[in-house]
Parts: sequence; structure tokens; C-alpha cells
Amino acid sequence: QKEVEQDPGPLSVPEGAIVSLNCTYSNSAFQYFMWYRQYSRKGPELLMYTYSSGNKEDGRFTAQVDKSSKYISLFIRDSQPSDSATYLCAPRSTGFQKLVFGTGTRLLVSP
Amino acid sequence: DAGITQSPRYKITETGRQVTLMCHQTWSHSYMFWYRQDLGHGLRLIYYSAAADITDKGEVPDGYVVSRSKTENFPLTLESATRSQTSVYFCASSLVFPGQNVDSPLHFGNGTRLTVT
Repeated sequence: QKEVEQDPGPLSVPEGAIVSLNCTYSNSAFQYFMWYRQYSRKGPELLMYTYSSGNKEDGRFTAQVDKSSKYISLFIRDSQPSDSATYLCAPRSTGFQKLVFGTGTRLLVSP
Repeated sequence: DAGITQSPRYKITETGRQVTLMCHQTWSHSYMFWYRQDLGHGLRLIYYSAAADITDKGEVPDGYVVSRSKTENFPLTLESATRSQTSVYFCASSLVFPGQNVDSPLHFGNGTRLTVT
């Protein structure tokens, strides 16, 4: 079993839709959860992160973690064509532990 | 401009040739990383470095060599390229090891797309 799993997509939605991107993980030691966004032909960039369980909101983006079910979500409200990218989840444990990334979900937002 | 730059952006080489991918960062970050990104596998860590002259293996180090004589540079060498090394390679840096501080994320370059024929 992979440590982090993501549906590769693509997920195609119309502009203005609410988008839900999800990850599952297997390592209980993960304590904080990062989301990276990667545009085509570019490197990933940190979008947001949340520590432990609960929600964190940043503008149109909300990150949600359910540690009991080992499930991570990123919600995008009022999606825009500029949100079209690949979204990678990256759970982290503290200390010098292996860095892992999900394979990413490709999102396409059509005008 | 400040940031992390990779060169070349695109490279085609033949099987068996040696090729070096360059990475330069201007932040004076201690940590630097090399990843490869492949469909179905996502980002996989090849090597990382904690400081000049300190390097360590990641998840998929075989066939690669790194060096770090200066803090700002972290070249990746494929000693004898194979077709399985066709991939997109990303260099990244961070101030501290990402697990040590949640406010120290990885900063990625824009990648080198390598094709081995």
C-alpha cells in the first residue's frame, strides 16, 4: 500500500463550481498536511497547509483533515480557469522523516 | 532574480552518456533536494543535501551522483544514462528540513525535462 494515494483525474468542472480534491494516507505519524499546486511545465508551489485535524481556510481554499479516517481534502470555492493545475498532497511527520507526496490530481476548470 | 533555477530546461541524450543537471538557489537555504516526477509515481526523492559537502540518499538514488561544494549549487549527474531515467527532474530547497518546521516548505525550480534515447 502506498503511503499517500490520490486519484490522478483529470477532474473537469465548469467555472464557479465547488471542487473537492482528496487524499488518503496510511502513516499515523503524519501530523501536518500540505497542499502543493503545480501548473503545467512548472515546479510545485506550496498552496497551504494544516496541522493535525480540522479545517483551515485561505480565501477560496479550505484544507480539511480527518485523522481518524486518514483522509485529507482540499476544497476550492468559486473555481476559476486559473485554478487549472495539478494538486499534490504532502503529509508530513515531524523530524527527519521521509518526505512523501501524493501523485497529484489534475484539475481542469473550463470557462 | 532570487529563487531557484534549473538548467537546462530540456535535454535529450543517448543511452550510456553522462549528463549533468544544474541547480542554483539564491536564498542560502541549507537543504537542497533532487526529485524525479513520473506519471503514476509522483515525486520521488533521489538525493538531498543538508549543507555543503553533506549529501544523503533518497528513495531512488541508483544511477545518480550528486555533489555540493557550494551552498548555492547542487548538480545531479547521471553517470551512464538509461531510458528508465527519462523523466522530469526537479530541484528544491528549504531553509531547514521540512519536517523540522512547518513554515519551511520546499521551494521548487521549474524542472528539467530529460529524454534518454
